[in-house]
Amino acid sequence: SQKIEQNSEALNIQEGKTATLTCNYTNYSPAYLQWYRQDPGRGPVFLLLIRENEKEKRKERLKVTFDTTLKQSLFHITASQPADSATYLCALSSGSARQLTFGSGTQLTVLP
Amino acid sequence: DAGVTQSPTHLIKTRGQHVTLRCSPISGHKSVSWYQQVLGQGPQFIFQYYEKEERGRGNFPDRFSARQFPNYSSELNVNALLLGDSALYLCASSGTSGSRYEQFFGPGTRLTVL
Repeated sequence: SQKIEQNSEALNIQEGKTATLTCNYTNYSPAYLQWYRQDPGRGPVFLLLIRENEKEKRKERLKVTFDTTLKQSLFHITASQPADSATYLCALSSGSARQLTFGSGTQLTVLP
Repeated sequence: DAGVTQSPTHLIKTRGQHVTLRCSPISGHKSVSWYQQVLGQGPQFIFQYYEKEERGRGNFPDRFSARQFPNYSSELNVNALLLGDSALYLCASSGTSGSRYEQFFGPGTRLTVL
């Protein structure tokens, strides 16, 4: 069956460092991979989308890589800030980008 | 601009009851998707509607149904509620041009089944 794993349930880093979150998947051939941020009690917020034929995408302090051979995506937040503390969700889709399969998320805490 | 809105915010039901959750997409968005999020897990896809037609269905029992109205708002119905249906129900809308793959999520409806 399809499976998405995000590296750890919780990740603590020091302010100013780069946070790296991992998303691995099995039994899946995604056409799109997306990253969302979710704060407690709120719906997820879209951050970045990367297509299967793209290797890397950047947006401000965020960078996503997508390796379809390794079946892995890495999500980086550079110069992290306490305001970046949240749960980050990886989501895959094959046919329709509007029908997403989510991982269970990684809770990131950036310590001041 | 108003974002995706959902009602009610919270709901408490008992086993066996029926529930209807409502969603209004962002103005101009024609696609609405529903997700169930159990505490500590990522959202799980339930339905997607586009132009009032069902375009996808996740692995949920027939107790779950949905529909989309001419104004693109949507309802999710759950019959014969079980304790395991307790979750945050999220609605997401998306457009048809530009960043059409970006899903805009509402705040969710927190359903508790006793």
